Amino acid sequence: GEDVEQSLFLSVREGDSSVINCTYTDSSSTYLYWYKQEPGAGLQLLTYIFSNMDMKQDQRLTVLLNKKDKHLSLRIADTQTGDSAIYFCAESMDTGRRALTFGSGTRLQVQP
Amino acid sequence: GAVVSQHPSRVICKSGTSVKIECRSLDFQATTMFWYRQFPKQSLMLMATSNEGSKATYEQGVEKDKFLINHASLTLSTLTVTSAHPEDSSFYICSARPDRVGNTIYFGEGSWLTVV
Repeated sequence: GEDVEQSLFLSVREGDSSVINCTYTDSSSTYLYWYKQEPGAGLQLLTYIFSNMDMKQDQRLTVLLNKKDKHLSLRIADTQTGDSAIYFCAESMDTGRRALTFGSGTRLQVQP
Repeated sequence: GAVVSQHPSRVICKSGTSVKIECRSLDFQATTMFWYRQFPKQSLMLMATSNEGSKATYEQGVEKDKFLINHASLTLSTLTVTSAHPEDSSFYICSARPDRVGNTIYFGEGSWLTVV
């Protein structure tokens, strides 16, 4: 079955870059997503990448995909205290109406 | 942009009672919606896939008689927790993928259920 893994915790200083890593096992994954969850809140879609792409950049966010190694990363430039949250990577196939498979989430702590 | 709304955001109920949570797609139609459960400090676990006009598909280990799902229209799915017990206390989140062409899946704000 599918499996998505993330490191549990990352601490950075304000202004530094944050890199959150994710690995997945399903080679048929077509779309890979990054979601942000603040305490007590729902999920906010940050970005997603199609499996035929290597990189996607959106303002402070850069997503890198190494399909060979099944490795996905999210880089947040100039990390701010408001970026403190849990970040989930998720994967899905494009066929039918498949639900997302989530990683365990990485708690990002930004220190002032 | 597309929005998925959940209601209520927080609910406290007594053991043995039933609670209904609504998930609405506000500006798009969704034949399929998904219900997830999240325990504190854990990831989201898929409970079931809600299909408009047909029965929901439940994941292994999820009791279909306890977690009733109804997808009455293309914009509304409901999850009813029947005969709730304290161990059902959790954060429930729905998501929906628009029927139109697109790759984005939108999530509701989530519903905190506390059973006392």
